Parts: sequence; structure tokens; C-alpha cells
Amino acid sequence: NAGVTQTPKFQVLKTGQSMTLQCAQDMNHNSMYWYRQDPGMGLRLIYYSASEGTTDKGEVPNGYNVSRLNKREFSLRLESAAPSQTSVYFCASSGGTGWLYEQYFGPGTRLTVT
Amino acid sequence: AQSVTQLGSHVSVSEGALVLLRCNYSSSVPPYLFWYVQYPNQGLQLLLKYTTGATLVKGINGFEAEFKKSETSFHLTKPSAHMSDAAEYFCAVNSGNTPLVFGKGTRLSVIA
Repeated sequence: NAGVTQTPKFQVLKTGQSMTLQCAQDMNHNSMYWYRQDPGMGLRLIYYSASEGTTDKGEVPNGYNVSRLNKREFSLRLESAAPSQTSVYFCASSGGTGWLYEQYFGPGTRLTVT
Repeated sequence: AQSVTQLGSHVSVSEGALVLLRCNYSSSVPPYLFWYVQYPNQGLQLLLKYTTGATLVKGINGFEAEFKKSETSFHLTKPSAHMSDAAEYFCAVNSGNTPLVFGKGTRLSVIA
């Protein structure tokens, strides 16, 4: 039981390049989330998916797209990376569709955009 | 809108001393409150949460927090710090049907 896995762990991009961050969970959870963590800013929600087939914007969605590929997988795409997107990205999942359920976090992807 | 303020971005305590991490929230509706911990180079994990009922909530690793509505606070405490408690701690709030709003975090250092 791996929990929430994220790939890659580290990535360096040049401005304007694109990439997709992958996330998968093996806990049969309904809801999945993407956050970014910046120093002194806490975690900010980018997008979430309350259930398979649905996605919604969070606090900071600009510059990102997501795909809920199936119940297990939720990917985050940067179409044209910018230095402001340098951050640590966390994927999380929770068993219920409400916000009271514990969220389980992956180990993060550290992204640098030069 | 809901918000969370964590007082002190960095707290240092001696091993065996009391740990007190402060969290104040703002919410126009009854809040649900959470504390998450992040160990170095890891994701976050839930320490404890308050939804309804008893205002003193016990969590993992000996931590507890008390919801005080009159003070709009949800401070995290542990009677005796251990070296393994060194981590970053995040307070979060929501109303139950809105996304979690996280505070900026407090880094806890434990000195031998």
C-alpha cells in the first residue's frame, strides 16, 4: 500500500516549457487535490477533484490544467512554465467527498523554472 | 472568507519542555479546525481535527489542541517536547463544505 505517489520528485524547466506532474493513490479515495507550497505562504489549493469525472478550481488555478484520468490518477499540467511557478507541488487524496475528511499527502515534486 | 493566523514562524523549545504553537482563525460560520505536521522532505499528515463536540481534541504523538470560540483560537500543545517533534506545523480551517485554508506554518525546533 503505497498511499499517494507523485512523479517526478524533482524537475527543472526553462521558461515556456511544458510538463505534467503525475499523482496516483491506491486507497480507493474519491477526492484528490493539488497544492503548491511556497516559503512563508503555507499551502494553496490549485485544483481539486471531488469525484471521478469532476474538477474544480482552487485558490490559484491560473497557469495550470488538471485531468482526473480515473479514480486513481490526477495529473497537473503546466502548459507554459513561468518562474513564478517555481514551487513544491503536493498531491493529496481523501476518502470522502466533503472537506472534513483527512487528506493524505504525497511526498511532493520540487519544481524549478529558470 | 476564512483565514488562519499562526503566531510565530519559528519556535524553539528545549527537549522535555512544553510545546505551544498558536493558531487564531477568522470564520463567519462555525469552523472546523485542523493541525497538520510536515517532517522534512515529506508531505503533510493530520495530527488532529476539531469538528463538533468536545473542545479539547487529542491527536497523535501526544499532541492536543483546544478550541476556544471566545478567543477564536485553536492552539496546539504537547507537555514534553521530543527531538522527533522537530517539523513544520500547519493550522487549517474550513466550514465543512469549503476547501481547507492553511496558515503559513510554524517551524518547531527542539534543542537537546
